[in-house]
Amino acid sequence: RKEVEQDPGPFNVPEGATVAFNCTYSNSASQSFFWYRQDCRKEPKLLMSVYSSGNEDGRFTAQLNRASQYISLLIRDSKLSDSATYLCVVNEPGYSGGGADGLTFGKGTHLIIQP
Amino acid sequence: DVKVTQSSRYLVKRTGEKVFLECVQDMDHENMFWYRQDPGLGLRLIYFSYDVKMKEKGDIPEGYSVSREKKERFSLILESASTNQTSMYLCASSSAEGKDEQYFGPGTRLTVT
Repeated sequence: RKEVEQDPGPFNVPEGATVAFNCTYSNSASQSFFWYRQDCRKEPKLLMSVYSSGNEDGRFTAQLNRASQYISLLIRDSKLSDSATYLCVVNEPGYSGGGADGLTFGKGTHLIIQP
Repeated sequence: DVKVTQSSRYLVKRTGEKVFLECVQDMDHENMFWYRQDPGLGLRLIYFSYDVKMKEKGDIPEGYSVSREKKERFSLILESASTNQTSMYLCASSSAEGKDEQYFGPGTRLTVT
């Protein structure tokens, strides 16, 4: 199984600041990339997909660098409600013998926004 | 709104018991997955299924089995629960493309005593 590496943190950031996370992946054949958010004792939920051209959703910006095999997430004007664990997720083409893809999850980066 | 449901949020079982965890999705997804999540270890794939009656081992299948008799339902079975199977169990589903996002259920926190 290929690896997805993230800094576990915690990142302690004052409210209103900008914070950025990176993650690296080892499978050069991966085609789909995501950031998931997981609140304490809750299930992971999709935050945003990451496209080759980069994409922005409000205060959140995701970037993909295929050459260096890393993905980034930038959060601007951070809010207390942004406190969560952020999981970097990469697909694994042909993971199964049946040819189905799988997803590999990073272990997450813990973000704490402080008032 | 997409929905993945799991039969229990919290479960306490004794060592040696047979445990069934049920997962149902209403999105007509082909793929379904079972993960466990432990502190410091992240999400680990136990089993997955890409079609009815099809199943494939994930990264940590030992001590588990699965059943997929209907497209919307994927069951995880602990044949003889052990204390090291105390964990959060998460079910997920995705469309046939496989490289699409996965939708998760709320999780079952299982404690084996």
